[in-house]
Amino acid sequence: VLTQSPGTLTLSPGERATLSCRASQAISDYLAWYQQKPGQAPRLLIYDASSRAAGIPDRFSGSGSGTDFTLTISRLEPEDSAVYYCQQYGYFGQGTKLEIK
Amino acid sequence: QVQLQESGPGLVKPSETLSLTCTVSGQSISSDYYWVWVRQPPGKGLEWIGSVHHNGKTYYDRSVKSRVAMSLDTSKNQFFLRLTSATAADTAMYFCARLTERGSNWFDPWGQGTLVTVSS
Repeated sequence: VLTQSPGTLTLSPGERATLSCRASQAISDYLAWYQQKPGQAPRLLIYDASSRAAGIPDRFSGSGSGTDFTLTISRLEPEDSAVYYCQQYGYFGQGTKLEIK
Repeated sequence: QVQLQESGPGLVKPSETLSLTCTVSGQSISSDYYWVWVRQPPGKGLEWIGSVHHNGKTYYDRSVKSRVAMSLDTSKNQFFLRLTSATAADTAMYFCARLTERGSNWFDPWGQGTLVTVSS
C-alpha cells in the first residue's frame, strides 16, 4: 500500500512543492511518479525514485528509498496544477492534488 | 514514437461483458514489454487491472481476477480487455499503457483513455 500526503496542497507560483509517498513495506527505489491534469491521461514524471522521464523539466525531482519517497517541484508554474500519483507496479497512491494560486 | 489508442463501446449493460481494444503504433507488441490496462472511476484514483505479455503471461488484480481476461493479437498490434458480469462499479475511464518491467515497473506511454459507463 502506498500512502500519499498531503491530500491537497495549495501554493503560489515560484514556490516549491514537496509531495510525500510512504510505502507499507520497503520497496528499495522502485517507485514512479505521475502527473494527471483534468481530462488527460497520467504522464510519467519520475521512475526508479529519482530518474526523470524523457522531456520532463529539471524542476521536477524525486528522492527516497525504502519506505519514504518525495517528489519535489521547484519554481512552481500555474500549469503544474494537477493530481500527482506515486506508483509501484500494480499499486497507486491515492493522489495529491496540487493547486497553484 | 509509441502511441496507444483505446476503443470500444462507451455504454455496457449491467451483467454484460465489457470489451476494449488498445491499438499500438510505433512499436511491436511482440517486443519485450508488458501491456496493461488501468482504470479510473469518476472523481477517483488510478486502479491497475492487469498486464499481458506476448509470451502468454498475464497478471490480474485480485479485485477483478475472477472476471477479467487480457489477450493480444500480434498481427494487428492490438491487445484486449474483457471484463465479464459488469456492474455500475466498473464505470470508469479505461486507459491502456506500456509497462517497462524493470525497477519500479513504470507505465509509459499511455493512451488517452476511453470512458465506459455501465448502465441499463
